[in-house]
Amino acid sequence: DAGITQSPRHKVTETGTPVTLRCHQTENHRYMYWYRQDPGHGLRLIHYSYGVKDTDKGEVSDGYSVSRSKTEDFLLTLESATSSQTSVYFCAISAGAEQYFGPGTRLTVT
Amino acid sequence: GIQVEQSPPDLILQEGANSTLRCNFSDSVNNLQWFHQNPWGQLINLFYIPSGTKQNGRLSATTVATERYSLLYISSSQTTDSGVYFCAVMGYSGGGADGLTFGKGTHLIIQP
Repeated sequence: DAGITQSPRHKVTETGTPVTLRCHQTENHRYMYWYRQDPGHGLRLIHYSYGVKDTDKGEVSDGYSVSRSKTEDFLLTLESATSSQTSVYFCAISAGAEQYFGPGTRLTVT
Repeated sequence: GIQVEQSPPDLILQEGANSTLRCNFSDSVNNLQWFHQNPWGQLINLFYIPSGTKQNGRLSATTVATERYSLLYISSSQTTDSGVYFCAVMGYSGGGADGLTFGKGTHLIIQP
């Protein structure tokens, strides 16, 4: 499972509140990613990181920010959650050429 | 950006049947992966196959990079094969750090 955990696994929050999702990896991988999955879509890239304090935007980055202060942790923050951010969020790492995914976080914004 | 199309979108088969899933992509790729998302939502790596052919038990995959498509073959289907199969690619423009671009998936149901 490439040693990836995500927390929380489920969260319900209200519109306008800040939310932070955590991705933790135990194998010192340089590259980490956040994706979201919505019904009828595959996964879409939100942000990615290529090292500590090195991050960049993906396809659907509006409304999200990220931080990576340690190799093992990659945080995704919704500064002010909206209903359109209700989704399942997956974290991933690159091990060599392949990406491996965490178990996902189901976020509901009411 | 690169486009990925998967077909068919849905497939219902009886246990024991064989199936072929297709993935077309719009540009050259340096990474192509097939995933199985099981009914619990977990994404399972099946193949890393930017070109060539690989086999793993009842599953095999072929990517013809020059013609920009990949095929996933499932033989002697079992009910545990049910779920959504995703093809995902990475083009050359990102320098290796960009994420994968996913197709919308093929939803496979295997009936007993």
